[in-house]
Amino acid sequence: AQSVTQLGSHVSVSEGALVLLRCNYSSSVPPYLFWYVQYPNQGLQLLLKYTSAATLVKGINGFEAEFKKSETSFHLTKPSAHMSDAAEYFCAVRSGTASKLTFGTGTRLQVML
Amino acid sequence: GAVVSQHPSRVICKSGTSVKIECRSLDFQATTMFWYRQFPKQSLMLMATSNEGSKATYEQGVEKDKFLINHASLTLSTLTVTSAHPEDSSFYICSARVEGNTEAFFGQGTRLTVV
Repeated sequence: AQSVTQLGSHVSVSEGALVLLRCNYSSSVPPYLFWYVQYPNQGLQLLLKYTSAATLVKGINGFEAEFKKSETSFHLTKPSAHMSDAAEYFCAVRSGTASKLTFGTGTRLQVML
Repeated sequence: GAVVSQHPSRVICKSGTSVKIECRSLDFQATTMFWYRQFPKQSLMLMATSNEGSKATYEQGVEKDKFLINHASLTLSTLTVTSAHPEDSSFYICSARVEGNTEAFFGQGTRLTVV
């Protein structure tokens, strides 16, 4: 079984501040982990993914995430928020050979001037 | 990256009619396609998984006779909402994956409104 928990349905930061979006996973086998971003009325765009290589993964738009097995976490960070980062962010897990992704409930990021 | 095109992006239909949504992988062959439904301000709920040339596997609670999925080729899957009702109004998103690839690519979604 696989599951994802995203703590915080809403996160608000000031422009230029650190962004931290939390994701914890549960998986019976080594997982593949993903972060997606969704803008209003659009599909999902992949930010980054962990596939058992480097534990610190760098993605697009300055985002990165660190896989911590001991904490079963895959938190998403960005050093300096930009107004264009305001969107919905989803963490997702896929376990081993399982074909389907399981998504978290999403975190809405608001960036304030 | 790979491109998945979903059409139409928006559709309004009358209650009782059927609506077909297309999902195409433009520059790769998708062995598996997924259909999701997303309610406002909620996460994506997987409806069904389809492999080319075989019947779709529906998630528990999803009516297969209402949500007909066809995956006739490696680049095209369709979702038909039959006898649509207002409660079927939602955002539908498809994704496509190549077997052996860790990543799935998403379409831009279809906003269905049933009036």
